[in-house]
Amino acid sequence: AQTVTQSQPEMSVQEAETVTLSCTYDTSENNYYLFWYKQPPSRQMILVIRQEAYKQQNATENRFSVNFQKAAKSFSLKISDSQLGDTAMYFCAFMKHHAQGGSEKLVFGKGTKLTVNP
Amino acid sequence: SAVISQKPSRDICQRGTSLTIQCQVDSQVTMMFWYRQQPGQSLTLIATANQGSEATYESGFVIDKFPISRPNLTFSTLTVSNMSPEDSSIYLCSVETGAYGYTFGSGTRLTVV
Repeated sequence: AQTVTQSQPEMSVQEAETVTLSCTYDTSENNYYLFWYKQPPSRQMILVIRQEAYKQQNATENRFSVNFQKAAKSFSLKISDSQLGDTAMYFCAFMKHHAQGGSEKLVFGKGTKLTVNP
Repeated sequence: SAVISQKPSRDICQRGTSLTIQCQVDSQVTMMFWYRQQPGQSLTLIATANQGSEATYESGFVIDKFPISRPNLTFSTLTVSNMSPEDSSIYLCSVETGAYGYTFGSGTRLTVV
């Protein structure tokens, strides 16, 4: 079974600064996907960024980037130029690849509460 | 990506009663997923609902407590039965949008008193 660990329950950062959220995972799968989801107080789950395990290049989406270390099973999220609207819970998630193209469940970490201070 | 309408957004229920949560998707999807998020916790999968067959439940969740219907490819319901205060949680439905991840409904905040 896959497990996802987020070791930082809470973090804070000053507006405009950079912050990195940690995530490690455990799996015996070789093909899989990793995700970061954001959940603001509105409780809507919002996809921030995703990474395919077979791609060596780290994914980036505007101010959000990841550091994917497959051998170390590490998947950290870097938020640059932090904004007040980035304040939210951030969940790291794992999904194994389905060989027949079907759907697989997401396995979530416990989350990191990020507060961006003005 | 798909858009999901989830209802109700919140409810306060008496213990012993049942609540049915609805999710409507704006496109046809094969599978729908139902998650529970207990206060201050992460999301835990309750079950996977496939159209035309019985839902598949995760360990610790049973059909009698969380019956699910999936009458067509765009709609599903989750019922929380015989509720107790321990059922107070956020319940979310979700559909896969390919390898780009999953889209979630806006969640139902349930409080059992």
